[in-house]
Amino acid sequence: DIQMTQSPSSVSASVGDRVTITCRASQGIGSWLAWYQQQPGKAPKLLIYAASSLQSGVPSRFSGSGSGTDFTLSISSLQPEDFATYYCQQTDSFPLTFGGGTRVEIK
Amino acid sequence: EVQLVQSGAEVKKPGESLKISCKDFGHTFTSFWIGWVRQTPGKGLEWMGIIYPGDSETTYSPSFQGQVTISADKSINTAYLQWRSLKASDTAIYYCARVRSSSEDAFDIWGQGTKVTVSS
Repeated sequence: DIQMTQSPSSVSASVGDRVTITCRASQGIGSWLAWYQQQPGKAPKLLIYAASSLQSGVPSRFSGSGSGTDFTLSISSLQPEDFATYYCQQTDSFPLTFGGGTRVEIK
Repeated sequence: EVQLVQSGAEVKKPGESLKISCKDFGHTFTSFWIGWVRQTPGKGLEWMGIIYPGDSETTYSPSFQGQVTISADKSINTAYLQWRSLKASDTAIYYCARVRSSSEDAFDIWGQGTKVTVSS
């Protein structure tokens, strides 16, 4: 199975800050990477697919980049509703696997 | 609007069987793959497998192969996740989700989750 490692596991930030989360795959996955946001008690929500494509309805302050083994999710100006846990997922090969999550907390 | 609605929370004893459901109210059920994801505090999100309701073709994660059964009834737009004999370690929240497209396997629509508690 492809292992997905996210860093950091948590980050404290303020409204308006730029936040960057990293995801590393244990082997090359091309651009087959998705990012999700999960609020407490809710299902995950797709933000980015194919490494950099913004899912319909997702604010443009979210962006994704990377290819191969190293990927990044950026939030350009953190909003109150963005405090949540973020997960990456490789969609290159079965079984699809998720990263361990990054919790974005209020500073 | 596509909407996946899952069955309610379950409390079961070890050894009991269980089948939880995921109904698609969006009229796209036979056109997209549907998957199941387990979430636990210890292991996070785990991809369990997917099914194509149009022909019931199924792919399982090796971690879940033989442990659960994924099925679908296209006549009522519903997918299922089933256990023959539950263990305490099956305690988790289970999500169904729609695969975004035939060429890209991210999940774009999610059910609300079904909490399963297995305890003696």
